[in-house]
Amino acid sequence: ETGVTQTPRHLVMGMTNKKSLKCEQHLGHNAMYWYKQSAKKPLELMFVYNFKEQTENNSVPSRFSPECPNSSHLFLHLHTLQPEDSALYLCASSQGGTSGGAATDTQYFGPGTRLTVL
Amino acid sequence: GQNIDQPTEMTATEGAIVQINCTYQTSGFNGLFWYQQHAGEAPTFLSYNVLDGLEEKGRFSSFLSRSKGYSYLLLKELQMKDSASYLCAVSDSNYQLIWGAGTKLIIKP
Repeated sequence: ETGVTQTPRHLVMGMTNKKSLKCEQHLGHNAMYWYKQSAKKPLELMFVYNFKEQTENNSVPSRFSPECPNSSHLFLHLHTLQPEDSALYLCASSQGGTSGGAATDTQYFGPGTRLTVL
Repeated sequence: GQNIDQPTEMTATEGAIVQINCTYQTSGFNGLFWYQQHAGEAPTFLSYNVLDGLEEKGRFSSFLSRSKGYSYLLLKELQMKDSASYLCAVSDSNYQLIWGAGTKLIIKP
């Protein structure tokens, strides 16, 4: 399944670095998501974009900054991160809309970026 | 608050049947999803239930009881490749997915 791609796959950065994660979806979807996945914890929704508009920001620290230039691309800009931010960052997309149901709500995930903050 | 509960880990034998349970308390309900996630890989969609009852898809079946806030994923004829984490997620009143922590399934020969 290569519908959603993410780069880089692995990233090691210091607390003073600035880096960006990239996500691209080739499914013609209208909604894109950033999740944080830590060991033995539920997926944490960070940001949601619907039709390029940010519709959700779950109290994410400002050191994480999303950008959605078009409905196919999503970025997560990182700066002055903390060691506790080390996790797997997953991007997902869905058809989107508010009608509900499997067709619109099923999310398709990219392979993730394994981030380590030293 | 919103909550999804599922067992942390389960062990089963190759060729057997295993049932992974999920209970939920959410603000609204617009469907329940099951995803499979192999170690180091992306979660992949398995099933979606919005009405009560059993949905069968090959070796995998998913059941939903909305009145009980309960679902299970049933895996038959287990294979070694079924070793993975299984994630339960509920679409709430805002169509946002609320995720469980996942159940790690270990298959033994």
